[in-house]
Amino acid sequence: EIVLTQSPATLSLSPGERATLSCRASQSVSSDLAWYQQKPGQAPRLLIYETFNRATGIPARFSGSGSGTDFTLTIRSLEPEDFVVYYCQQRSFSLYTFGQGTKLEIK
Amino acid sequence: EVQLVESGGGLVRPGESLRLSCAASGFTFSTYSINWVRQAPGKGLEWVSSISSSSSSIYYADSVKGRFTISRDNAKNSLFLQMSSLRAEDTAVYYCARVSSNYFDYWGQGTLVTVSS
Repeated sequence: EIVLTQSPATLSLSPGERATLSCRASQSVSSDLAWYQQKPGQAPRLLIYETFNRATGIPARFSGSGSGTDFTLTIRSLEPEDFVVYYCQQRSFSLYTFGQGTKLEIK
Repeated sequence: EVQLVESGGGLVRPGESLRLSCAASGFTFSTYSINWVRQAPGKGLEWVSSISSSSSSIYYADSVKGRFTISRDNAKNSLFLQMSSLRAEDTAVYYCARVSSNYFDYWGQGTLVTVSS
């Protein structure tokens, strides 16, 4: 099973700043990576799929990058509504795993 | 509009059973793999089970293997999760989620399962 480790667990920034969230896999991720955003009391929402691609309706300030075992979600110029929790996810051999999440909080 | 609506959650005692349902609409249900993902209170996301479009391939997380059974009825656009021998650690919000390639593109709003004596 591929383990995904997200860092940091909590990221404290101010609106307008740039956020860089990391997701590291225990083995090379051959099927690319997805990122989700989860607001309190809501279901997760797909942000980025196949490492780079923004899902429908996702603002351009969200971008994904990486390959192999190291992946990054970047949020350029944080908006107040961006201060929630983010998860990375991969699929390997028909099994799915999620990272433990990064909480983005207002500094 | 793609919609996934879960139901069937509730309070059960340890060792009891519960059946969750997920009603799908707004897309051709029979052509998509659908999964169950759960989230314990205050915790992260945990993948539970996967079923292919034709039910030919089924997978489970080790934590539920042998206790949970996933199934679907394509004629009724419905997904199910039969949960037995429930434990306190199964307490979570259970989401059904549609699979596109290797990721989950649509999620339901979730149904809460509480296992407590």
